[in-house]
Amino acid sequence: GAGVSQTPSNKVTEKGKYVELRCDPISGHTALYWYRQSLGQGPEFLIYFQGTGAADDSGLPNDRFFAVRPEGSVSTLKIQRTERGDSAVYLCASSLRGGGDTQYFGPGTRLTVL
Amino acid sequence: SQKIEQNSEALNIQEGKTATLTCNYTNYSPAYLQWYRQDPGRGPVFLLLIRENEKEKRKERLKVTFDTTLKQSLFHITASQPADSATYLCALDPAQGGKLIFGQGTELSVKP
Repeated sequence: GAGVSQTPSNKVTEKGKYVELRCDPISGHTALYWYRQSLGQGPEFLIYFQGTGAADDSGLPNDRFFAVRPEGSVSTLKIQRTERGDSAVYLCASSLRGGGDTQYFGPGTRLTVL
Repeated sequence: SQKIEQNSEALNIQEGKTATLTCNYTNYSPAYLQWYRQDPGRGPVFLLLIRENEKEKRKERLKVTFDTTLKQSLFHITASQPADSATYLCALDPAQGGKLIFGQGTELSVKP
């Protein structure tokens, strides 16, 4: 079946602009996660949704970052007033029920802020 | 402070040999530890999970050990192949809620 998909695969923007990154999880997966990965580093947790609600948003670096999952499936990560330091690969993962269930990752969106 | 560390230097080995990757952590008491494989331009792919009460776990050519006293996990690939070349990540889930904490990954290169 289809895995986790993310769009766009690449996004180049200018400092100060607003961006939206989209994640389509595996159908039927109730848990959805966003991570950020810088070059040479492992993924860093940002936020976790269980259904429509954010169960843990402790990894969001500041209030410029916001994520939604209004219908419990597709999620959008929104970044306002982008900064060069936001450049990274943004990964989305989903799991069947959350908790310790296996997480399936998408290919990521590479964000470059000029 | 809490840390999870992997060999930062790339590991280069000859085809057919056993690759051993290390994951050390401090100030965590995880109930389990996971290993992932990541290829360039792709997201991590889950390989194995080992629980605190399991000393060793195997899956085909992969073997993982977990020593909660040493706070260390070792990941072995036996009879390595060039197709095993990738970055391998270890991850903890301290609160068992799915919030994974990853090491920085070790790049493995298997030469024919």
